[in-house]
Amino acid sequence: NAGVTQTPKFQVLKTGQSMTLQCAQDMNHNSMYWYRQDPGMGLRLIYYSASEGTTDKGEVPNGYNVSRLNKREFSLRLESAAPSQTSVYFCASSERRGGITDTQYFGPGTRLTVL
Amino acid sequence: AQSVAQPEDQVNVAEGNPLTVKCTYSVSGNPYLFWYVQYPNRGLQFLLKYITGDNLVKGSYGFEAEFNKSQTSFHLKKPSALVSDSALYFCAVRDIKDTGGFKTIFGAGTRLFVKA
Repeated sequence: NAGVTQTPKFQVLKTGQSMTLQCAQDMNHNSMYWYRQDPGMGLRLIYYSASEGTTDKGEVPNGYNVSRLNKREFSLRLESAAPSQTSVYFCASSERRGGITDTQYFGPGTRLTVL
Repeated sequence: AQSVAQPEDQVNVAEGNPLTVKCTYSVSGNPYLFWYVQYPNRGLQFLLKYITGDNLVKGSYGFEAEFNKSQTSFHLKKPSALVSDSALYFCAVRDIKDTGGFKTIFGAGTRLFVKA
């Protein structure tokens, strides 16, 4: 049971390049999330998927798109990377749809630098 | 709008001493409160949560937190700190009135340093 896995672990992009961050979970969770972590700002929600087939914007969605490929996988795409998107990105999952009390399980993170 | 404040960037404590990491919150409805810990180069790990009931919540690794509704606080505590407790700690809150509870607001984090 690997939990939540993310690829790649590290990535350097040039301004304007595109890339997709991959996330997968093997816990049969319904809900998945993408966060970014910046120093002194905690984690901020980019997008979430309450269940397979649905996605919704979080707190900071601009410049990102997501795809809930199936129940296991939730990808985050940067179409045209900007230096302001330099951050550490975390994927998370939780068990139930509408589960306000649910614990979230986090992946190890992707450290992205945009030059 | 809901918010979480962790007033201390860093907390220093000697091994064996009690530790407290502070958290205050603001929500429009009933709060659902969480503590997570992040070790270097790792994702966040769940420590404990308050949903309802007893104001003192016990969690992983000997940590506990006390929910205080009148002071809108949810401080994390441990009776005897270990060097291995050194990490970054995040308080988080959810409000059912905000996107049905999917949106979690995290505090900025408090770095705990336990000295041997």
